[in-house]
Amino acid sequence: DTGVSQDPRHKITKRGQNVTFRCDPISEHNRLYWYRQTLGQGPEFLTYFQNEAQLEKSRLLSDRFSAERPKGSFSTLEIQRTEQGDSAMYLCASSLSGPTNYGYTFGSGTRLTVV
Amino acid sequence: DQQVKQNSPSLSVQEGRISILNCDYTNSMFDYFLWYKKYPAEGPTFLISISSIKDKNEDGRFTVFLNKSAKHLSLHIVPSQPGDSAVYFCAPGGTSYGKLTFGQGTILTVHP
Repeated sequence: DTGVSQDPRHKITKRGQNVTFRCDPISEHNRLYWYRQTLGQGPEFLTYFQNEAQLEKSRLLSDRFSAERPKGSFSTLEIQRTEQGDSAMYLCASSLSGPTNYGYTFGSGTRLTVV
Repeated sequence: DQQVKQNSPSLSVQEGRISILNCDYTNSMFDYFLWYKKYPAEGPTFLISISSIKDKNEDGRFTVFLNKSAKHLSLHIVPSQPGDSAVYFCAPGGTSYGKLTFGQGTILTVHP
């Protein structure tokens, strides 16, 4: 297993366009998390899944954001009608059920730039 | 509502000396506390953790101390090495939560 994979690594898009990111977690991990990180800040929680069920969404996640994990394996995060404020690093992580003392395993992230 | 604060944006130490990174939290429901390390262009990497039933956990050069009454934890790195230069995040969680909450991070620079 090569860890958590995120695709693409970088995305530049024009304001108003839709973008979709993909995350492939560690295969035996049933929880999957999305975080967003802006410059000088720590990762901010967006949403998480246990298997295919989306268990929590942050109020940071506006109606323009949607996440899916259709078969409990990979996940996608879509942003519709992107705005310049959406520019950030989008991080995906996975873990076994429940946060443990071993924490999450993060991917390398997708850097989104909205121009 | 900042539940987790790392009040020092940066810390600079000499190689071989001790690095102490601090973190304060407000949520009494947190019952375990993790530290992550992040290099540029990479995702955060788990470093060390402590549960609320302990006040100290040690792993090699890294020790985390927890003071529950003060809602404060610290990470000690002894001796510091240039390869430790990175951003460090504290990230508490709880059994009643499904997620970790991250602080803003502290940039550690270890000079040779």
